[in-house]
Amino acid sequence: GAGVSQSPSNKVTEKGKDVELRCDPISGHTALYWYRQSLGQGLEFLIYFQGNSAPDKSGLPSDRFSAERTGGSVSTLTIQRTQQEDSAVYLCASSFADQPQHFGDGTRLSIL
Amino acid sequence: RKEVEQDPGPFNVPEGATVAFNCTYSNSASQSFFWYRQDCRKEPKLLMSVYSSGNEDGRFTAQLNRASQYISLLIRDSKLSDSATYLCVVNLRTPGGKLIFGQGTELSVKP
Repeated sequence: GAGVSQSPSNKVTEKGKDVELRCDPISGHTALYWYRQSLGQGLEFLIYFQGNSAPDKSGLPSDRFSAERTGGSVSTLTIQRTQQEDSAVYLCASSFADQPQHFGDGTRLSIL
Repeated sequence: RKEVEQDPGPFNVPEGATVAFNCTYSNSASQSFFWYRQDCRKEPKLLMSVYSSGNEDGRFTAQLNRASQYISLLIRDSKLSDSATYLCVVNLRTPGGKLIFGQGTELSVKP
């Protein structure tokens, strides 16, 4: 498709389970970003991939969070041993060169 | 102190009103600036980039004052469809780099 694609759109899981969220960026975009937005909060940066460079992981809130980007395209954000405070909308964005970032629809994650 | 601060609102205005949003940022090294719009339960969408010289897009005017580390957005002749949360966003680098978002200012335009 033409935009950033994220899956699943909604995910409900039990506390303690692992989850994987997927992002498929806009074709040709070299940069990929993960953010999250908790209820009533602003967007919080998590991690940033740029080409083949080492990712900027400075926003990951704990070592339960990790992300990878395979082949410079699709990215997976993994949350291990989920906690209730992980409940949020996880947003992926991509960009090219100095162009602004474009966001996907997000994955709404609910931890029971 | 938050890196990007906005008045959370809500701003409740009648159709046709002019409304102004203000934003301040704390890092003087910030390089690029944007206003995004976010509708309820939707993803943020780029409204406009903000340049030092000021820029206008139809009813929307954005201003940047680097000396004061202040960004503004002016909406003229507001429409019902302008109702949304407006996010002030800065980037420490250009190109690329993480975006730092303000909390957003909620706007509600009433008939």
